[in-house]
Amino acid sequence: QSALTQPPSASGSPGQSVTISCTGTRSDVGGYNHVSWYQQRPGKAPKLMIYEVNKRPSGVPDRFSGSKSGNTASLTVSGLQADDEADYYCSSYTGNNNFPVVFGGGTELTVL
Amino acid sequence: EVQLVESGGGLVQPGGSLRLSCAASGFSLSDYWMHWVRQAPGKGPVWVSRLSSDGSLTFYADSVKGRFTISRDNAKNTLYLQMNNLRADDAAVYYCARGRGSVDSWYDAWGQGTPATVSS
Repeated sequence: QSALTQPPSASGSPGQSVTISCTGTRSDVGGYNHVSWYQQRPGKAPKLMIYEVNKRPSGVPDRFSGSKSGNTASLTVSGLQADDEADYYCSSYTGNNNFPVVFGGGTELTVL
Repeated sequence: EVQLVESGGGLVQPGGSLRLSCAASGFSLSDYWMHWVRQAPGKGPVWVSRLSSDGSLTFYADSVKGRFTISRDNAKNTLYLQMNNLRADDAAVYYCARGRGSVDSWYDAWGQGTPATVSS
């Protein structure tokens, strides 16, 4: 199972919006509405930000939103804040019991 | 408060073994599918293994099948990953995570991670 494809980096100024893409195949992103996004700060565990394409867990600001079109999912962070600077990883269900979830390689978000 | 605390990582020679533990609090492991996910330095996370909520089903990534064993102790509310015949490419930070959703595809709770270093 190949990793999902994310741009290695993204950036934006405070207050701006930035969108991070996550490209898979019909066997993962395109085949299921089970895409998740995680935020990870250095030395810390991933934190769930979006699940099932566009749902936010309690406590995650509504500045974070998710969407999907075909084999590509996207995470949009609007009203960028310095605290949003982190690595972001997407993941998708694959329907394969022997490898049920595949992650992306990660995008480093820089707030300029 | 839901909490997962891993331990057991360390430095081991190729061919050696480690047993990782993941102590859960704030919920019962027997109510959820639980997963191990690893992350090599500078890389994205990679799914390793999962255990069903009733403890009867286990699944492994092909890269670890036959070498790793996932299990749990209900009395201690602790999840384990026994890792044998370790290779250099097993070196990573290992996280336990709680699976959620209709197809157990997202993780709402993660441990802090425990590092496994495989080197002679």
